[in-house]
Amino acid sequence: KAGVTQTPRYLIKTRGQQVTLSCSPISGHRSVSWYQQTPGQGLQFLFEYFSETQRNKGNFPGRFSGRQFSNSRSEMNVSTLELGDSALYLCASSEGQASTDTQYFGPGTRLTVL
Amino acid sequence: AQSVTQLDSHVSVSEGTPVLLRCNYSSSYSPSLFWYVQHPNKGLQLLLKYTSAATLVKGINGFEAEFKKSETSFHLTKPSAHMSDAAEYFCVVSGGPGGFKTIFGAGTRLFVKA
Repeated sequence: KAGVTQTPRYLIKTRGQQVTLSCSPISGHRSVSWYQQTPGQGLQFLFEYFSETQRNKGNFPGRFSGRQFSNSRSEMNVSTLELGDSALYLCASSEGQASTDTQYFGPGTRLTVL
Repeated sequence: AQSVTQLDSHVSVSEGTPVLLRCNYSSSYSPSLFWYVQHPNKGLQLLLKYTSAATLVKGINGFEAEFKKSETSFHLTKPSAHMSDAAEYFCVVSGGPGGFKTIFGAGTRLFVKA
């Protein structure tokens, strides 16, 4: 099976712009989670989707949003970009919604905000 | 509430010597615990997971971890380090009502000297 894919791999934006990142989970996986990784804050949970419903959300402002489509593909959007949003954004998929399910991570999208 | 603490931000060992990466957790529920590894410019890869079965968990590449409820610990060990083990390691806890909200530790960077 193909792994988790994320597009684009690299992005450069300026402050105030918005950005949309895409994640395609492993075939058959119905849960998708998003994380932000920065040198200062480490890996932080953004949100989790299962069957097109957001089930959990981390402590991020409303500028960060996401959605999941019927084919389990997911997008996250960041509006009104700030310099501090520069980070590696990781997507992970799992088969179900159990805490025991293994999450498989994509390579990430490196976002740079200038 | 859940939390996870990796007790060392950096660990340095010589090739062929044992590796010990320490992780303590806190959870109001029966947690699922994971160790992930992240090599430079690569995605996160699952090393092993604990899901309330055997307390000694064996993972890939010779790593293992022991779940100790009385000490709330889930330390990662390997008998003999290899140069290719140099990477960042993350201890992860998930679980709770309404699906899993995943908490990553701050990470431990492992250096392996020749």
